[in-house]
Amino acid sequence: QVQLVQSGAEVKKPGASVKVSCKASGYTFTGHYMHWVRQAPGQGLEWMGWINPKSGGTNYAQKFQGRVSMTRDTSLSTVYMELSRLRSDDTAVYYCARDLWVDILTIVPDLWGQGALVTVSS
Amino acid sequence: DIVMTQSPDSLAVSLGERATLNCKSSQSVLYSSNNKYYIAWYQQKPGQPPKLLIYWASTRASGVPDRFSGSGSGTDFTLTISSLQAEDVAVYYCQQYYSTPPTFGPGTKVDIK
Repeated sequence: QVQLVQSGAEVKKPGASVKVSCKASGYTFTGHYMHWVRQAPGQGLEWMGWINPKSGGTNYAQKFQGRVSMTRDTSLSTVYMELSRLRSDDTAVYYCARDLWVDILTIVPDLWGQGALVTVSS
Repeated sequence: DIVMTQSPDSLAVSLGERATLNCKSSQSVLYSSNNKYYIAWYQQKPGQPPKLLIYWASTRASGVPDRFSGSGSGTDFTLTISSLQAEDVAVYYCQQYYSTPPTFGPGTKVDIK
């Protein structure tokens, strides 16, 4: 079954870091770029960046530069997104999402994880 | 960054009737080398992740019912649901992937009248 399964909800204090995982199954993990997209409560979608699971290469949205790190473990078919120096406005559901095409970057996610709610509160 | 706007914010349509959702980009999203518009549409139901409906402005994603269609040119794009079904109640987002960062519109909420 082709799917992305993310880690569970997290509650963090301001200034802390959070690391969300996303395990892929049912397809060739290294064949598709993976994106991270977040959605604040009741709000729209915000793209954070991508990772190429084959090479480990990354590209982050300027807004998150210096605070976000995307990594992968090919042996586990898992990608990770770590966001540091958390603020209250980082409270959101964080989605991993697979790019549509094999070996081509389009930034059209066609397969999404279930989402992981990260709550930042003192 | 390219700014995406959507209209209306919400609409209510009777079952079986047509729903028309609009999306506008702040600049051209047409890539001249392949003559394709870099626009996608997603459907998001409450408590669920988004689902890809349309890409290249008018190509339906795998498994998407043919009552969903995309069209448009220039900087104006449309998602049409030809005959609204109860399961189509959702928020619909358009997205440009012409340039990085890809950006989404604020969404249009579709309900049953």
